Amino acid sequence: NAGVTQTPKFRILKIGQSMTLQCAQDMNHNYMYWYRQDPGMGLKLIYYSVGAGITDKGEVPNGYNVSRSTTEDFPLRLELAAPSQTSVYFCASTPEGSGANVLTFGAGSRLTVL
Amino acid sequence: GDSVTQMEGPVTLSEEAFLTINCTYTATGYPSLFWYVQYPGEGLQLLLKATKADDKGSNKGFEATYRKETTSFHLEKGSVQVSDSAVYFCALSLYNQGGKLIFGQGTELSVKP
Repeated sequence: NAGVTQTPKFRILKIGQSMTLQCAQDMNHNYMYWYRQDPGMGLKLIYYSVGAGITDKGEVPNGYNVSRSTTEDFPLRLELAAPSQTSVYFCASTPEGSGANVLTFGAGSRLTVL
Repeated sequence: GDSVTQMEGPVTLSEEAFLTINCTYTATGYPSLFWYVQYPGEGLQLLLKATKADDKGSNKGFEATYRKETTSFHLEKGSVQVSDSAVYFCALSLYNQGGKLIFGQGTELSVKP
């Protein structure tokens, strides 16, 4: 049981490049989330999804896009990388969104934009 | 808006010392409250949670009580170990908000032998 798997673990991008952070979960969770973690700032929600084909913006969506074509996968796309997107990105999932459910997090993807 | 505020770190303690990490929240409804822990180089994992007022969450010697009257959820441990060194995040989640977590800024704990 792998849980939530994120790839890549590390990546360096040049300004203006594009890339996709992959996230996959094998727990049949409906709800999935992307957060970014900046030093001293906690985690901020970028996008989330309540099921296949449904996505919605979080607190800091600018510069990112997502898709949810299957229950398992929730990729995060950076179209034109900027230094402000240097961060650690975490994907998470939970079975349903009652508010009391615990989120399972991936190990993170550290992105540097130079 | 809804928010979580934690005491600033880093917090440095000697082994077997008593730990308190303060957490207060602002929420429009009745949130569930959580403490997540992040060990170096890893993702976040749940430490404990409480879903209603006066509930006490506990795990691995850590405790936190949901205090509605003071809108607080302070984390405590009676005797910390070097292995408790990590970053601790307080978070809230509201009913019917898609399970989204709102996090505090995190408190780094360093325990010295």
